[in-house]
Amino acid sequence: DAGITQSPRYKITETGRQVTLMCHQTWSHSYMFWYRQDLGHGLRLIYYSAAADITDKGEVPDGYVVSRSKTENFPLTLESATRSQTSVYFCASSELGTGGAWGYTFGSGTRLTVV
Amino acid sequence: KQEVTQIPAALSVPEGENLVLNCSFTDSAIYNLQWFRQDPGKGLTSLLLIQSSQREQTSGRLNASLDKSSGRSTLYIAASQPGDSATYLCAVIGEGGSEKLVFGKGTKLTVNP
Repeated sequence: DAGITQSPRYKITETGRQVTLMCHQTWSHSYMFWYRQDLGHGLRLIYYSAAADITDKGEVPDGYVVSRSKTENFPLTLESATRSQTSVYFCASSELGTGGAWGYTFGSGTRLTVV
Repeated sequence: KQEVTQIPAALSVPEGENLVLNCSFTDSAIYNLQWFRQDPGKGLTSLLLIQSSQREQTSGRLNASLDKSSGRSTLYIAASQPGDSATYLCAVIGEGGSEKLVFGKGTKLTVNP
């Protein structure tokens, strides 16, 4: 299916464990992004990538690691999960960093709970 | 640092009413502005994209306007329906080439039958 898919949809993990959230897009968009959404804070950028092997920090990068070996995939890893990382995580992609002609497209999100 | 504010935070209206959602931003040097809709427990659905050279965009019953100089955008919804109930998010991207899409906290709309 064309689009942007995230997996898993729901995840419960224990404090201190490593967990990886997956994001896959089929448009060959250059730019990909990870956001987290929390009550009271709205959506905040964690990391973004301008192309394969090019990544950069956003507003709240601490505790997260990203990689992008292929254009279509942009996994987000929590190296040692903490309760403060309980959140809903959204992946997005865009033809251009500035949005291009179609803007940003978002995945359905991953709801992560750290216990 | 760009800040985006959406007013009101919540809005409840009867079905059929025309309504306006407001979005303001502190740095007028933006590249584009995008309105999204988010249903409870779901992802973000793009509604309208307005590029900096444009004044407005329309899609069906939705019309979004952009006034860069005053740092404002409005989303107009005509003849509201219960199915329009959702949270509406405004987001801007800076003209300086920033790859960051900065969001407001949203307006939660409830349309009552």
